[in-house]
Amino acid sequence: RKEVEQDPGPFNVPEGATVAFNCTYSNSASQSFFWYRQDCRKEPKLLMSVYSSGNEDGRFTAQLNRASQYISLLIRDSKLSDSATYLCVVNLIGGGSQGNLIFGKGTKLSVKP
Amino acid sequence: DTGVSQNPRHKITKRGQNVTFRCDPISEHNRLYWYRQTLGQGPEFLTYFQNEAQLEKSRLLSDRFSAERPKGSFSTLEIQRTEQGDSAMYLCASSQIEAFFGQGTRLTVV
Repeated sequence: RKEVEQDPGPFNVPEGATVAFNCTYSNSASQSFFWYRQDCRKEPKLLMSVYSSGNEDGRFTAQLNRASQYISLLIRDSKLSDSATYLCVVNLIGGGSQGNLIFGKGTKLSVKP
Repeated sequence: DTGVSQNPRHKITKRGQNVTFRCDPISEHNRLYWYRQTLGQGPEFLTYFQNEAQLEKSRLLSDRFSAERPKGSFSTLEIQRTEQGDSAMYLCASSQIEAFFGQGTRLTVV
């Protein structure tokens, strides 16, 4: 089982749609969770951290379910500028790991006019 | 600019040559990571430092790869005897908690 798994997509949605991405992780000892956004041929940029209680930043909502070991990202009222690849990131502790950040392969989102 | 800086931005080398990349992290960050990314894939973990100590190295990393962070500040990643399969974007990130990336070094081995 891969450490961090995401649906690669692509998700093709119209402007204004709500879209949700899920990510599962294999190591129950993982401590920190993040969503990053990556535009084509650019470096990943932090979108938001994911807290146990769930957190919201404008149109973006992130949630963590530790029991089921998954993280979600919800984007409401999607904009053309939201088109990018969204990367799920887990801070891996345990099983020989001392805190490196493991990335999923990313979910590609394309928002159409 | 106080972000993560990587040099060079692009490197073209002949197969069999050695290359070295440099990463200057955000100054107060004690953690530094190296990743490799190829088209359509997420960043693949290579190695991780906390201050000057190299805490982890990916099993995917062959003996041709070595990284250092001698004074706990900047880091270098060296690839010896490059192969065409080494062609990729090499990304460096630094963190206290949340990681911030440099713009990467794009390596092409011809």
